Amino acid sequence: NAGVTQTPKFQVLKTGQSMTLQCAQDMNHEYMSWYRQDPGMGLRLIHYSVGAGITDQGEVPNGYNVSRSTTEDFPLRLLSAAPSQTSVYFCASSKQGKGSPLHFGNGTRLTVT
Amino acid sequence: GQQVMQIPQYQHVQEGEDFTTYCNSSTTLSNIQWYKQRPGGHPVFLIQLVKSGEVKKQKRLTFQFGEAKKNSSLHITATQTTDVGTYFCAGGTGGGNKLTFGTGTQLKVEL
Repeated sequence: NAGVTQTPKFQVLKTGQSMTLQCAQDMNHEYMSWYRQDPGMGLRLIHYSVGAGITDQGEVPNGYNVSRSTTEDFPLRLLSAAPSQTSVYFCASSKQGKGSPLHFGNGTRLTVT
Repeated sequence: GQQVMQIPQYQHVQEGEDFTTYCNSSTTLSNIQWYKQRPGGHPVFLIQLVKSGEVKKQKRLTFQFGEAKKNSSLHITATQTTDVGTYFCAGGTGGGNKLTFGTGTQLKVEL
């Protein structure tokens, strides 16, 4: 099993550009989520989804959009990149239900200049 | 909103010394999970605690969940270089999957 696959691994954007971070999982997990990781701040939840067609905001959703058209895919869109969005982004998935462990992708390191 | 803090932020130890990281939530949790992230890697699930006062062990690692279900700790006995990384706690509330991660404790182990 590939698990959770994120692409690209690295990306450099100019301020104002848009892009999509891809995330796919092959474990038939209902729950998928996006986190950003910044030094000293841990992992902060951006958006999450409990199933196809259902998404919700986390604690830092501004500047990001998501959609969940299939169980497998959960792309994260940056609408107009800003330097404050320079970060490492992790996609994670789990089975539905309290306490199911999260399976993380390898991350995307994004730099916005 | 819910906040989860961890202390210390950094810890340097000599190999063989013990290490403890503490996790404190602003709200009562239904469960708490612990993850380890090696340098340059992604977080990997270690364990989950759900009961008040619960204690679980994994070899040299001991995890505790506080009686009030608002705090937790991870203790490593006799650290090894393989323990290097950042340890995160993550708290859940209610019956869903959503987790709030702590700020993490970065552990460095010197020979």
